[in-house]
Order: sequence, then structure tokens, then C-alpha cells
Amino acid sequence: SQQGEEDPQALSIQEGENATMNCSYKTSINNLQWYRQNSGRGLVHLILIRSNEREKHSGRLRVTLDTSKKSSSLLITASRAADTASYFCATDAKYEDTDKLIFGTGTRLQVFP
Amino acid sequence: KAGVTQTPRYLIKTRGQQVTLSCSPISGHRSVSWYQQTPGQGLQFLFEYFSETQRNKGNFPGRFSGRQFSNSRSEMNVSTLELGDSALYLCASSSGTPSFTEAFFGQGTRLTVV
Repeated sequence: SQQGEEDPQALSIQEGENATMNCSYKTSINNLQWYRQNSGRGLVHLILIRSNEREKHSGRLRVTLDTSKKSSSLLITASRAADTASYFCATDAKYEDTDKLIFGTGTRLQVFP
Repeated sequence: KAGVTQTPRYLIKTRGQQVTLSCSPISGHRSVSWYQQTPGQGLQFLFEYFSETQRNKGNFPGRFSGRQFSNSRSEMNVSTLELGDSALYLCASSSGTPSFTEAFFGQGTRLTVV
């Protein structure tokens, strides 16, 4: 089964609002990454957070990581219609496979103008 | 620099046929990974190649195979196609180990098996 589970599955908000999506995973990790996918297209890397980091920022994105709870959250502040996409977390499996990314189920974000 | 290029973008095949998909990674990237994306199963890892060697393989039947050439370009092949193989196939290139570095994805090849 997949490593990551994302919550919520779908999220609808108005432009200007903040969007928060969560990811839970099952095994110990080295790193966790977040990706965005516009409808039916390739994935775009957003941010990578290492297991010894607790928070990371990139522009309007803020990612937190809680390894004790095996969870991460992605916050998009002041959302825009262009943020409409699916968002995926991806991890490795620290003691098993570091040569592959295991993706979560994704959160579908809709931002209304 | 040029991004990851996948060809073709769209394919329609009939059951029982075979198909070959191609991926040209970003120049200088030696790691190429392949993923299958379907509405029901999400993004599933197929395999990863680094310097022409398959380092990891996902839980797919032997009908799914791949290879990487000395110029890092990669191909994946699916033989004896089944309806369930209909999916978006994504290729990603990385400069190093995929979990430690940013992966750059191509636009994908959408395969429809009829």
C-alpha cells in the first residue's frame, strides 16, 4: 500500500484564503517532499524537508514535519486561482528504499476567484 | 536548460499489443524513475535507473520492463497490454538519489488500451 495518506482528499477555498493539507506516512524517512500536479500533467517539485528539520518556508508555502507523529502539513497562504491543482507528499523508506519516492494519495485543491 | 521530455504524449493500443515509451532526462541527470498514475491506484513506482543500472523495482508484473542508455535516456516497455494498463506514465529525472534531491517530471505519456 502507499506510504502516504493525504487529508483532506479535496479542498475548496476562495482566493486569498489559506489552504492546509496534511500527509501521514508509515515508516521512518530520510526526507519528505511536496509536489503539485496540474490536471493530467507532470508533477512540479515544491519543497523538500529533511527528517531533522521541523519547518521550512518557500514563498507562500510553509511545510512542517513531525517525525514523532509521522506527519507533515503544507500550508499555502493567500491562495490564488493558479494554485488550483493536486498536491502530493512523497517520502522514501529510510531503512528499506531510498532510491524511490512513495507518493501519497493527494489533495485536490480548488481555489475560486 | 531543457526539461524532461517524454514521447509520445498520447498512445492508443489494443489489448495484447506491446508499447515502448521514451524519456529524455535533464542533461547531466543520471537517475531516471518511472511511475504509473491511475485514478484508482494513484502514483505507483515502477522502477529507477542510475547509470544504466536498475536500482529499484516496484510491484509490477514482468510485462513491465525498462532500460537506460549510456546517455541516460530511458525507455520502458509494456508487453501483452491489458485494459488495466491504461494510465498516465510519468518519468522523473534526478541528479542523485530520488529521495534526497528534487525530481523533475516530464508531462507524461497517456496510454489508453482498448
